[in-house]
Amino acid sequence: ILNVEQSPQSLHVQEGDSTNFTCSFPSSNFYALHWYRWETAKSPEALFVMTLNGDEKKKGRISATLNTKEGYSYLYIKGSQPEDSATYLCASSIYNQGGKLIFGQGTELSVKP
Amino acid sequence: DAGVTQSPTHLIKTRGQQVTLRCSPISGHKSVSWYQQVLGQGPQFIFQYYEKEERGRGNFPDRFSARQFPNYSSELNVNALLLGDSALYLCASSLWAGGTVGANVLTFGAGSRLTVL
Repeated sequence: ILNVEQSPQSLHVQEGDSTNFTCSFPSSNFYALHWYRWETAKSPEALFVMTLNGDEKKKGRISATLNTKEGYSYLYIKGSQPEDSATYLCASSIYNQGGKLIFGQGTELSVKP
Repeated sequence: DAGVTQSPTHLIKTRGQQVTLRCSPISGHKSVSWYQQVLGQGPQFIFQYYEKEERGRGNFPDRFSARQFPNYSSELNVNALLLGDSALYLCASSLWAGGTVGANVLTFGAGSRLTVL
């Protein structure tokens, strides 16, 4: 069974704070790690997909890293803004089942102005 | 270009009834996946279809079935509804063609919220 765990479950920060979340996943038969951002009343939106150990991706103020050997990924947000408020989901897939994503429960971020 | 569209957006059913949810993928996407999201949990994989064939099935009972049509749209059917089937059902499409080439990056629809009374 592939379990993907995210922490913390929720996070409340002030505008301008930098923050980070953790996603842990089983490292055996790892194929890909995805990060999605899900704003209230909208659809989940893909942020990053990473496959190689040591991968780092960046999109504006948001970046992510991947460690496949120890089975974790970090998502960083630099200088949080109210519009960053959303639930951030990570999802893993395993080799030979690449089409099936196993999602964590998400980290709900609230950024106060 | 239209995104992934799902219908209906909301629906209410009673226990024992049957429901059909519909999904139209992004133009050019041949893979459609269905996920169930219960409040407080992450989306849970139900099915994936590619080129009208089932490519993956999650841990759901046989009451759940799906199909994909020649135009790549898809339907999810749930029979003999239970209270526990109340959830947001998300459809996602992708360019993923199976095998080990590339990762399955999903584009989601807004979901169909099912309430079973």
